[in-house]
Amino acid sequence: SQKIEQNSEALNIQEGKTATLTCNYTNYSPAYLQWYRQDPGRGPVFLLLIRENEKEKRKERLKVTFDTTLKQSLFHITASQPADSATYLCALDGLGGYALNFGKGTSLLVTP
Amino acid sequence: KAGVTQTPRYLIKTRGQQVTLSCSPISGHRSVSWYQQTPGQGLQFLFEYFSETQRNKGNFPGRFSGRQFSNSRSEMNVSTLELGDSALYLCASSRGRNTEAFFGQGTRLTVV
Repeated sequence: SQKIEQNSEALNIQEGKTATLTCNYTNYSPAYLQWYRQDPGRGPVFLLLIRENEKEKRKERLKVTFDTTLKQSLFHITASQPADSATYLCALDGLGGYALNFGKGTSLLVTP
Repeated sequence: KAGVTQTPRYLIKTRGQQVTLSCSPISGHRSVSWYQQTPGQGLQFLFEYFSETQRNKGNFPGRFSGRQFSNSRSEMNVSTLELGDSALYLCASSRGRNTEAFFGQGTRLTVV
């Protein structure tokens, strides 16, 4: 069956360091992969979308890589700040692109 | 540009009752999707509507239903509520397939 796995353990890092979050998937051939941020009690907020033919994408302090051979995406936040503390969700396209299948997310805590 | 609006924000219902949740998408977005989020299962896709037609449905019982109106606004209905239906229900709108989704704040449903 299709699976999307993200580190269930919270990631604690110090302000200024680079946070790296992992998303692994099995039994999938996604056309694209997305990353979202979710704060407690709020809906997810879109961050980045990367397509299967793209290796890397950047937006300000964010960088996403997509390795379709390893079936893995890495999400990096450079120069992390306490305001980056949130849960980060990885999502793959499903049902022909009309639905998103989400991982369970990784909680990031950035301490001053 | 106004974001996705969901009403109500919070609901408390009794087992066996039914509930209707509402979602107003971003102006110009014709695709509306619904998701259920629980601590154990994470975000799970319920269904997706486009131009008043349900195009896709997730693996949920028939007690979960929805509809979309000509102005793209959408409602979802859950009948014969069970304790396990307690969750955050999220609505997302998008321009179409393989594009980013914009989520509302969600409706927190508690079934007692």
